[in-house]
Amino acid sequence: ETGVTQTPRHLVMGMTNKKSLKCEQHLGHNAMYWYKQSAKKPLELMFVYNFKEQTENNSVPSRFSPECPNSSHLFLHLHTLQPEDSALYLCASSQQLGQGTDTQYFGPGTRLTVL
Amino acid sequence: KQEVTQIPAALSVPEGENLVLNCSFTDSAIYNLQWFRQDPGKGLTSLLLIQSSQREQTSGRLNASLDKSSGRSTLYIAASQPGDSATYLCAVRRGNYGQNFVFGPGTRLSVLP
Repeated sequence: ETGVTQTPRHLVMGMTNKKSLKCEQHLGHNAMYWYKQSAKKPLELMFVYNFKEQTENNSVPSRFSPECPNSSHLFLHLHTLQPEDSALYLCASSQQLGQGTDTQYFGPGTRLTVL
Repeated sequence: KQEVTQIPAALSVPEGENLVLNCSFTDSAIYNLQWFRQDPGKGLTSLLLIQSSQREQTSGRLNASLDKSSGRSTLYIAASQPGDSATYLCAVRRGNYGQNFVFGPGTRLSVLP
């Protein structure tokens, strides 16, 4: 266990559904991340939060909407997704941005399938 | 734009062998480089992190080296075991604050008993 949990672990949704992915970290970290891992592409950074403030958005489509209500929780709200959005979505946390040894700790991921 | 490649894409070795995984990156202006392990269907586990000013890091049977000028890093695994079977990913980070974390595609390692 890395101290980062994600729910649900598996999610199947239709293109018109609205769902949310949840990430929680129990490490006392202040930075949190969303990554997308598709079958045929390297892991892609989506969003970064530091002390609840979004610091990076890697040109992610607006059908993905992140929310970080506090340093321990991170959500990814999903709506009107496309089949190509099917992937493993990974959450990670680290102590905080700007620190030299800023090792990231990953959750187990949510396997998303869009029908 | 930073690009990270890993060679080989897949590797199968008998138990007990020493092996080397390679990572290359196109932009040498990195802040640090990290090696991760990923088991099938699971998240990533950090193995070693090398700062740009460092040449290598060691943890148990693992040793990672960094040659920033040539854009290369290697992960050396000594006396491989079946439990080492996983996908190994390297990732380079551009800056101290900016989280431009670029991952390689990974090397899938199988260690046969």
